[in-house]
Amino acid sequence: GENVEQHPSTLSVQEGDSAVIKCTYSDSASNYFPWYKQELGKRPQLIIDIRSNVGEKKDQRIAVTLNKTAKHFSLHITETQPEDSAVYFCAATVDNYGQNFVFGPGTRLSVLP
Amino acid sequence: KAGVTQTPRYLIKTRGQQVTLSCSPISGHRSVSWYQQTPGQGLQFLFEYFSETQRNKGNFPGRFSGRQFSNSRSEMNVSTLELGDSALYLCASSLPRANTGELFFGEGSRLTVL
Repeated sequence: GENVEQHPSTLSVQEGDSAVIKCTYSDSASNYFPWYKQELGKRPQLIIDIRSNVGEKKDQRIAVTLNKTAKHFSLHITETQPEDSAVYFCAATVDNYGQNFVFGPGTRLSVLP
Repeated sequence: KAGVTQTPRYLIKTRGQQVTLSCSPISGHRSVSWYQQTPGQGLQFLFEYFSETQRNKGNFPGRFSGRQFSNSRSEMNVSTLELGDSALYLCASSLPRANTGELFFGEGSRLTVL
């Protein structure tokens, strides 16, 4: 089955700096890769996603890149702000039947003012 | 539009007991999936239901079961509780498509097993 690894487990950056979180997956059939943000005490929420037919996707300060050959994808946050502090989860799934996501263990991002 | 609603929000049980958790999805969402969240383990997939049928199942023992009703509401049951079952159980619903899409999570049911 699919296995998703995520690094680093914790990340501290200064406000205004960039943050990068990397994930690797094992199943070459996976073709949909979402990222979820979970603020303390709140529910996870989708922040960006990418499908395997695209190499990069941007949404304001957030971007995701995908390398299918190496089977890894990354989340990039630029100009970090204190409200970016949260736990970020990457996930992978095969986009053909059902909702069966395999999540990474999460990265706790702290943005220091 | 109301979000995903989970009940109860908090509960305490003792080892050997059983528990039933409930999830009401967003109106119109027919897929409901369940995840177990524990510190350091992230989100572990339990199972997914679509149109009252279990469509996918994760690697959890048979003590974990679920069902979905005709109105798409879902329940999950854990029998013979163990200390390791203490976790936040999250329910998520999504649009009625065969393909993947955004998961809308509830606030979760926090289970403590003593």
